[in-house]
Amino acid sequence: GQQVMQIPQYQHVQEGEDFTTYCNSSTTLSNIQWYKQRPGGHPVFLIQLVKSGEVKKQKRLTFQFGEAKKNSSLHITATQTTDVGTYFCAGAYSGAGSYQLTFGKGTKLSVIP
Amino acid sequence: ETGVTQTPRHLVMGMTNKKSLKCEQHLGHNAMYWYKQSAKKPLELMFVYNFKEQTENNSVPSRFSPECPNSSHLFLHLHTLQPEDSALYLCASSQDPPPGLTDTQYFGPGTRLTVL
Repeated sequence: GQQVMQIPQYQHVQEGEDFTTYCNSSTTLSNIQWYKQRPGGHPVFLIQLVKSGEVKKQKRLTFQFGEAKKNSSLHITATQTTDVGTYFCAGAYSGAGSYQLTFGKGTKLSVIP
Repeated sequence: ETGVTQTPRHLVMGMTNKKSLKCEQHLGHNAMYWYKQSAKKPLELMFVYNFKEQTENNSVPSRFSPECPNSSHLFLHLHTLQPEDSALYLCASSQDPPPGLTDTQYFGPGTRLTVL
């Protein structure tokens, strides 16, 4: 099946530092989505990227979709303690009448006050 | 958030028990999903339903049996589970199934399942 590799698995940052997580797919994606899961919570949708080379911003969060639609990144500027959680990417694939949504393993972010 | 609800929130069962997980979405969505989230693996998509019809079954063992009586309700029937099936089971819904602009997943709070 399709795989989405996400790195790093863990990231510890000092409050105020930046943070980036990366996702890579071996095949071209139809779209990629990003989710955040707080400790003890469930994944919550952040954003969806569809177009090649797309860049979207949400306050301190910047999301990018690669030109080949095989990779994506999430960058957080000046992290805050409220950013703590696990960030997942999910790649959507289509082909031959079927479709899949494959999640990366997630990057667990810890922010040291 | 109350768009997608799941019951029970916690479940402990023996390997010979039969139990069911329930999910309900109040968002008017057409697609519903079951996911398994365990500590050592990525979020795993188990089943996809589109307009009550099962469209995906990602090689899930037959001891997991889904049921979707209508677009708003989804069940996961459990029978003779193994300890390695212990995990968080998440239900989700989306306007439409992937891929597309309306396949954003809205997750429920999950059922924490422990199999003894």
